[in-house]
This record gives sequence, C-alpha cells and structure tokens, in this order.
Amino acid sequence: AQSVTQPDIHITVSEGASLELRCNYSYGATPYLFWYVQSPGQGLQLLLKYFSGDTLVQGIKGFEAEFKRSQSSFNLRKPSVHWSDAAEYFCAVGPQRGNMLTFGGGTRLMVKP
Amino acid sequence: EPEVTQTPSHQVTQMGQEVILRCVPISNHLYFYWYRQILGQKVEFLVSFYNNEISEKSEIFDDQFSVERPDGSNFTLKIRSTKLEDSAMYFCASSRGRSSYNSPLHFGNGTRLTVT
Repeated sequence: AQSVTQPDIHITVSEGASLELRCNYSYGATPYLFWYVQSPGQGLQLLLKYFSGDTLVQGIKGFEAEFKRSQSSFNLRKPSVHWSDAAEYFCAVGPQRGNMLTFGGGTRLMVKP
Repeated sequence: EPEVTQTPSHQVTQMGQEVILRCVPISNHLYFYWYRQILGQKVEFLVSFYNNEISEKSEIFDDQFSVERPDGSNFTLKIRSTKLEDSAMYFCASSRGRSSYNSPLHFGNGTRLTVT
C-alpha cells in the first residue's frame, strides 16, 4: 500500500533563510509526486508535480523539489523564504490513472521576521 | 482564475442528523472528488465522481455517505446520520481529466463540519 511520510510536523525558519521540507514515499509503481500548500482559511494549492525526466522540478512561488529514487524522497526547497510562505505544506503521491491522492501528514511552516 | 467554491465554510450539526455539504466545481471540469481531513490527521480521499456515477471510493466512504450532482453545477456530499468521528474539514476538488499528473486537482477552501 502506498504511504507518504513528512517527518517534520513543524518547522520555523527566519525570513530570508533557505528551506527544505522532507517527504518520503512508499509506492508500488512509478508514482506521480506532488507538493501542495494550504494557507490559513484556504484550500490546497498545487505547488509542483513530478513524474519523470529531470529530477529537479520547478514550481510556483519560487519553490523547487528534487526527486531521489534511491532514497524514495521528494523534498521541497526554497532558497529564500518570505513571510508569506508561512502555511502548511503537503506532499502527496498519485497513481498514473485516477486522482486518488495519498497525502502526507503535512508540515507547518512558520517564518520568523 | 476559476475556483472551486464550497458552502458553508463551517457547519455544526448534532449527532444523528443528516448533513449536506455543497460544492461548485470549476465549470469545464469533468471529475469531482471529496477529501477530508480530521483535525491533526492526514488529508484522506473519500470518493471520485465522473459521468454521474462514483468512479472510485475509499473504505471510509461507507453507506452513510452519498454524492450527487443534482443540477449540473453543484456537487454534494451527504452524510446520512452523522457521528462524532465525522467531524473534519471536508474538501471538494475537481479536475478536467482523470490523470493526476495531466489534470491536477483544484481544491476548494473546505467546509469544517463539527458534530456535537
């Protein structure tokens, strides 16, 4: 069965600092991988996605993620965090057919001024 | 940019009562979904709906749940007899196609259901 683990429940970084949010997955076949962000009072917004090709993918809002098959990881990064990035971030895997996503538990990001 | 809209944003109901959560998907989308997130837990898939029938459902989606597209624009989730453990944030989503990669999900802001 597929699963997604986000080891860090909360992360606090200073504004302008770099960020890395960890995501590990377990999936029987080649997965589609996603990162979503949820700002307070908002729905889930897609940041980026990966299936194949270049293992470093670029997303919106300056985020990127790197797929490492050997580590079953898909970590999200941003070189310089802005206060508006404070939100909850969810990693997810999905099948090649269908949209039944399996989500991780989320990482809540707080940004210090 | 078109959005998925959900109403109400917060619903309080008593245990045993029926509740209907409403969603208006993006107008040219063909696939519709409900997910839920119990406080402090993961976002979980409930059901997907296409061409006026359920295409996939999870084991959470038991007989007390039903979905309907009553009028070509709304997509509803009905919980027949609510239980305390149904308290959660319920997210509606829609997509143009079936592939999670080519047609990613667009989520609404959610309805927080509180069962007392």
